[in-house]
Amino acid sequence: DQQVKQNSPSLSVQEGRISILNCDYTNSMFDYFLWYKKYPAEGPTFLISISSIKDKNEDGRFTVFLNKSAKHLSLHIVPSQPGDSAVYFCAASYSGSARQLTFGSGTQLTVLP
Amino acid sequence: DTAVSQTPKYLVTQMGNDKSIKCEQNLGHDTMYWYKQDSKKFLKIMFSYNNKELIINETVPNRFSPKSPDKAHLNLHINSLELGDSAVYFCASSQFRGLAPETQYFGPGTRLLVL
Repeated sequence: DQQVKQNSPSLSVQEGRISILNCDYTNSMFDYFLWYKKYPAEGPTFLISISSIKDKNEDGRFTVFLNKSAKHLSLHIVPSQPGDSAVYFCAASYSGSARQLTFGSGTQLTVLP
Repeated sequence: DTAVSQTPKYLVTQMGNDKSIKCEQNLGHDTMYWYKQDSKKFLKIMFSYNNKELIINETVPNRFSPKSPDKAHLNLHINSLELGDSAVYFCASSQFRGLAPETQYFGPGTRLLVL
Protein backbone atom coordinates (compact mmCIF):
# COMPACT_ATOMS: atom_id res chain seq x y z
CA ASP A 1 0.00 0.00 0.00
CA GLN A 2 1.86 3.01 -1.31
CA GLN A 3 1.02 6.02 0.79
CA VAL A 4 3.16 8.33 -1.33
CA LYS A 5 2.94 7.97 -5.09
CA GLN A 6 4.90 9.45 -7.92
CA ASN A 7 3.07 8.25 -10.98
CA SER A 8 5.54 9.52 -13.55
CA PRO A 9 8.69 7.43 -13.57
CA SER A 10 10.37 9.83 -15.96
CA LEU A 11 10.14 13.35 -17.34
CA SER A 12 12.13 15.10 -20.07
CA VAL A 13 12.28 18.87 -20.30
CA GLN A 14 14.16 21.30 -22.47
CA GLU A 15 16.78 23.45 -20.80
CA GLY A 16 15.35 26.79 -19.70
CA ARG A 17 11.80 25.51 -19.51
CA ILE A 18 9.81 24.63 -16.42
CA SER A 19 9.95 21.14 -14.88
CA ILE A 20 6.92 20.04 -12.89
CA LEU A 21 7.19 16.91 -10.79
CA ASN A 22 4.08 15.57 -9.13
CA CYS A 23 3.39 13.58 -5.99
CA ASP A 24 0.18 12.25 -4.47
CA TYR A 25 -0.38 10.92 -0.98
CA THR A 26 -3.14 9.01 0.71
CA ASN A 27 -2.44 9.39 4.43
CA SER A 28 -4.20 12.53 5.68
CA MET A 29 -2.02 12.51 8.79
CA PHE A 30 1.06 13.57 6.83
CA ASP A 31 1.94 17.11 7.82
CA TYR A 32 5.44 17.58 6.44
CA PHE A 33 6.58 16.99 2.90
CA LEU A 34 10.06 16.96 1.44
CA TRP A 35 11.69 16.66 -1.94
CA TYR A 36 15.02 14.93 -2.32
CA LYS A 37 17.25 14.85 -5.36
CA LYS A 38 19.41 11.85 -6.09
CA TYR A 39 22.28 11.44 -8.50
CA PRO A 40 23.47 7.95 -9.48
CA ALA A 41 25.67 6.26 -6.86
CA GLU A 42 24.97 9.01 -4.32
CA GLY A 43 22.59 9.40 -1.43
CA PRO A 44 19.42 11.51 -1.61
CA THR A 45 20.10 15.20 -1.08
CA PHE A 46 17.51 17.35 0.63
CA LEU A 47 16.10 19.95 -1.74
CA ILE A 48 13.07 21.68 -0.28
CA SER A 49 10.25 21.02 2.16
CA ILE A 50 6.82 22.30 3.07
CA SER A 51 4.72 22.10 6.19
CA SER A 52 1.02 21.39 5.92
CA ILE A 53 0.23 24.84 7.29
CA LYS A 54 1.52 26.35 4.05
CA ASP A 55 0.54 25.90 0.45
CA LYS A 56 3.72 27.15 -1.15
CA ASN A 57 7.41 27.30 -0.37
CA GLU A 58 10.03 28.81 -2.62
CA ASP A 59 13.80 28.50 -2.65
CA GLY A 60 15.55 29.99 -5.63
CA ARG A 61 14.58 28.07 -8.75
CA PHE A 62 12.62 25.52 -6.73
CA THR A 63 9.03 25.93 -5.57
CA VAL A 64 6.89 23.33 -3.87
CA PHE A 65 3.11 23.62 -3.93
CA LEU A 66 0.83 21.73 -1.58
CA ASN A 67 -2.86 21.10 -2.21
CA LYS A 68 -4.12 19.44 0.95
CA SER A 69 -7.67 18.91 -0.26
CA ALA A 70 -6.37 17.00 -3.28
CA LYS A 71 -3.57 15.37 -1.28
CA HIS A 72 -1.21 16.50 -3.97
CA LEU A 73 2.09 18.30 -4.07
CA SER A 74 4.29 19.39 -6.91
CA LEU A 75 7.83 20.60 -7.36
CA HIS A 76 8.46 23.31 -9.94
CA ILE A 77 11.95 23.96 -11.23
CA VAL A 78 12.35 27.06 -13.32
CA PRO A 79 14.40 27.52 -15.33
CA SER A 80 15.51 23.91 -15.67
CA GLN A 81 19.21 23.27 -16.11
CA PRO A 82 21.08 20.17 -17.34
CA GLY A 83 22.56 19.77 -13.85
CA ASP A 84 19.04 19.24 -12.52
CA SER A 85 18.94 15.87 -14.28
CA ALA A 86 18.50 13.39 -11.43
CA VAL A 87 15.91 11.25 -9.70
CA TYR A 88 13.55 13.29 -7.54
CA PHE A 89 11.90 11.64 -4.55
CA CYS A 90 8.88 12.97 -2.74
CA ALA A 91 8.67 12.07 0.96
CA ALA A 92 6.21 12.69 3.76
CA SER A 93 6.07 12.36 7.53
CA TYR A 94 3.85 13.08 10.53
CA SER A 95 4.53 13.46 14.20
CA GLY A 96 2.71 10.29 15.21
CA SER A 97 5.08 8.18 13.18
CA ALA A 98 8.17 9.38 15.05
CA ARG A 99 8.81 11.45 11.94
CA GLN A 100 9.82 8.49 9.81
CA LEU A 101 9.83 9.35 6.12
CA THR A 102 7.61 7.57 3.63
CA PHE A 103 9.04 7.89 0.14
CA GLY A 104 7.56 7.82 -3.31
CA SER A 105 9.19 5.73 -6.02
CA GLY A 106 10.93 8.68 -7.65
CA THR A 107 10.81 10.48 -10.98
CA GLN A 108 13.82 10.57 -13.28
CA LEU A 109 14.13 14.11 -14.63
CA THR A 110 16.20 14.65 -17.74
CA VAL A 111 16.90 18.21 -18.79
CA LEU A 112 17.93 18.34 -22.42
CA PRO A 113 20.44 20.99 -23.52
CA ASP B 1 33.94 17.02 5.22
CA THR B 2 31.20 14.48 4.61
CA ALA B 3 28.20 15.07 6.86
CA VAL B 4 26.93 11.47 6.82
CA SER B 5 29.42 8.82 5.78
CA GLN B 6 29.06 5.09 5.28
CA THR B 7 31.57 2.29 4.90
CA PRO B 8 31.99 0.31 2.83
CA LYS B 9 30.54 1.85 -0.31
CA TYR B 10 30.39 -1.53 -2.04
CA LEU B 11 30.05 -4.95 -0.46
CA VAL B 12 30.01 -8.21 -2.39
CA THR B 13 29.66 -11.37 -0.33
CA GLN B 14 28.44 -14.94 -0.36
CA MET B 15 25.12 -16.18 0.95
CA GLY B 16 25.27 -17.19 4.58
CA ASN B 17 28.01 -14.75 5.52
CA ASP B 18 27.75 -12.11 8.24
CA LYS B 19 28.59 -8.51 7.38
CA SER B 20 28.48 -5.05 8.92
CA ILE B 21 27.93 -1.59 7.49
CA LYS B 22 29.09 1.44 9.42
CA CYS B 23 27.60 4.91 9.50
CA GLU B 24 28.88 8.10 11.06
CA GLN B 25 27.47 11.62 11.09
CA ASN B 26 29.25 14.80 12.07
CA LEU B 27 26.19 17.04 12.07
CA GLY B 28 25.64 16.80 15.82
CA HIS B 29 22.27 15.14 15.24
CA ASP B 30 20.74 12.88 17.85
CA THR B 31 18.66 10.64 15.58
CA MET B 32 19.92 8.20 12.98
CA TYR B 33 18.20 5.89 10.51
CA TRP B 34 18.76 2.96 8.20
CA TYR B 35 16.84 2.76 4.93
CA LYS B 36 16.81 0.04 2.29
CA GLN B 37 16.37 0.83 -1.39
CA ASP B 38 15.12 -2.28 -3.12
CA SER B 39 15.19 -3.26 -6.78
CA LYS B 40 12.04 -1.24 -7.43
CA LYS B 41 13.90 1.84 -6.14
CA PHE B 42 11.65 2.39 -3.12
CA LEU B 43 13.39 3.75 -0.05
CA LYS B 44 11.99 2.08 3.05
CA ILE B 45 12.76 2.77 6.68
CA MET B 46 14.29 -0.10 8.59
CA PHE B 47 15.40 1.33 11.93
CA SER B 48 15.69 4.60 13.77
CA TYR B 49 17.71 5.43 16.86
CA ASN B 50 17.37 8.51 19.04
CA ASN B 51 20.16 9.13 21.54
CA LYS B 52 21.26 5.52 21.14
CA GLU B 53 17.76 4.18 21.80
CA LEU B 54 15.74 2.28 19.22
CA ILE B 55 12.58 4.21 18.33
CA ILE B 56 11.55 2.70 14.99
CA ASN B 57 11.86 -0.94 14.13
CA GLU B 58 9.95 -1.80 11.00
CA THR B 59 9.21 -5.33 9.93
CA VAL B 60 12.74 -6.42 9.28
CA PRO B 61 14.12 -9.95 9.74
CA ASN B 62 15.93 -10.33 13.04
CA ARG B 63 19.04 -11.21 11.05
CA PHE B 64 19.41 -7.43 10.86
CA SER B 65 20.67 -5.88 14.07
CA PRO B 66 21.46 -2.18 14.40
CA LYS B 67 23.91 -0.99 16.99
CA SER B 68 24.46 2.58 18.13
CA PRO B 69 27.61 2.96 20.23
CA ASP B 70 27.04 6.71 20.48
CA LYS B 71 24.87 9.44 18.96
CA ALA B 72 27.20 9.91 16.01
CA HIS B 73 27.31 6.27 14.91
CA LEU B 74 24.75 3.71 13.82
CA ASN B 75 26.04 0.42 12.49
CA LEU B 76 24.04 -2.31 10.78
CA HIS B 77 25.01 -5.94 11.24
CA ILE B 78 23.46 -8.59 9.01
CA ASN B 79 23.68 -12.28 9.84
CA SER B 80 23.27 -15.18 7.45
CA LEU B 81 22.99 -13.04 4.36
CA GLU B 82 20.40 -14.05 1.76
CA LEU B 83 20.08 -13.24 -1.93
CA GLY B 84 17.11 -10.97 -1.18
CA ASP B 85 19.27 -8.78 1.02
CA SER B 86 20.95 -7.41 -2.09
CA ALA B 87 20.04 -3.73 -2.15
CA VAL B 88 21.40 -0.29 -1.46
CA TYR B 89 21.40 0.63 2.23
CA PHE B 90 21.28 4.28 3.20
CA CYS B 91 22.04 5.79 6.55
CA ALA B 92 20.49 9.13 7.49
CA SER B 93 20.45 11.50 10.44
CA SER B 94 18.30 14.31 11.79
CA GLN B 95 17.87 16.42 14.89
CA PHE B 96 14.84 15.30 16.89
CA ARG B 97 12.41 18.17 17.43
CA GLY B 98 9.54 16.45 19.18
CA LEU B 99 6.37 16.97 17.21
CA ALA B 100 7.98 19.54 14.91
CA PRO B 101 9.10 18.59 11.40
CA GLU B 102 12.71 17.64 10.89
CA THR B 103 14.84 17.11 7.82
CA GLN B 104 16.85 13.95 7.34
CA TYR B 105 20.27 13.99 5.72
CA PHE B 106 21.48 10.92 3.90
CA GLY B 107 24.77 9.15 3.44
CA PRO B 108 26.05 8.01 0.02
CA GLY B 109 24.72 4.47 0.39
CA THR B 110 26.25 1.00 0.62
CA ARG B 111 25.63 -1.26 -2.33
CA LEU B 112 25.33 -4.82 -1.06
CA LEU B 113 25.39 -7.72 -3.48
CA VAL B 114 24.84 -11.21 -2.13
CA LEU B 115 25.94 -14.02 -4.44
